[in-house]
Amino acid sequence: DTEVTQTPKHLVMGMTNKKSLKCEQHMGHRAMYWYKQKAKKPPELMFVYSYEKLSINESVPSRFSPECPNSSLLNLHLHALQPEDSALYLCASSQFYTGNYGYTFGSGTRLTVV
Amino acid sequence: KNEVEQSPQNLTAQEGEFITINCSYSVGISALHWLQQHPGGGIVSLFMLSSGKKKHGRLIATINIQEKHSSLHITASHPRDSAVYICAVRGSTLGRLYFGRGTQLTVWP
Repeated sequence: DTEVTQTPKHLVMGMTNKKSLKCEQHMGHRAMYWYKQKAKKPPELMFVYSYEKLSINESVPSRFSPECPNSSLLNLHLHALQPEDSALYLCASSQFYTGNYGYTFGSGTRLTVV
Repeated sequence: KNEVEQSPQNLTAQEGEFITINCSYSVGISALHWLQQHPGGGIVSLFMLSSGKKKHGRLIATINIQEKHSSLHITASHPRDSAVYICAVRGSTLGRLYFGRGTQLTVWP
């Protein structure tokens, strides 16, 4: 298995809803990343998990809450989002966070907040 | 100033033409990545470079570490090459990527 699987592919949620995005990889990668991408903009880093511990939180609002229950799974819990949070959320993984290792990206979750 | 500058921002070509996309970066890196993003959103890694040149099919990527510059070439371009091509550099902080703004390539038949 050489993929990063993200579910769901599309999500529409209201501002009072609670939802979760899921990211899964079975390549044995020890670093996992969440990126947010607005239309026609490059991805922006949100969180980095290495060895299942949060290593970077790029001052992301608390309405986004990451969770890494095991080395294969990275969730992003969403609560009380705003319409400006509508974006493509990309998950990626890498074998290690140091060294010259490639990245594998998921296909993304396109989130719309109404 | 963005850590990664890419040019051109938009590129239109006729099928069969030779394409070049350029990337310059200002930070110390461990590797440079060329990525492809289709309208659906998913990102595919095309190349990872830390020196020299790599070739995969009709795609060629080069990097000059001293000049902090990389190029992506597409030979005999095809409409299916139409996508956004993104240059990204892997920094020293926990492997985070710094992204260029992307080049929207459109190849007409």
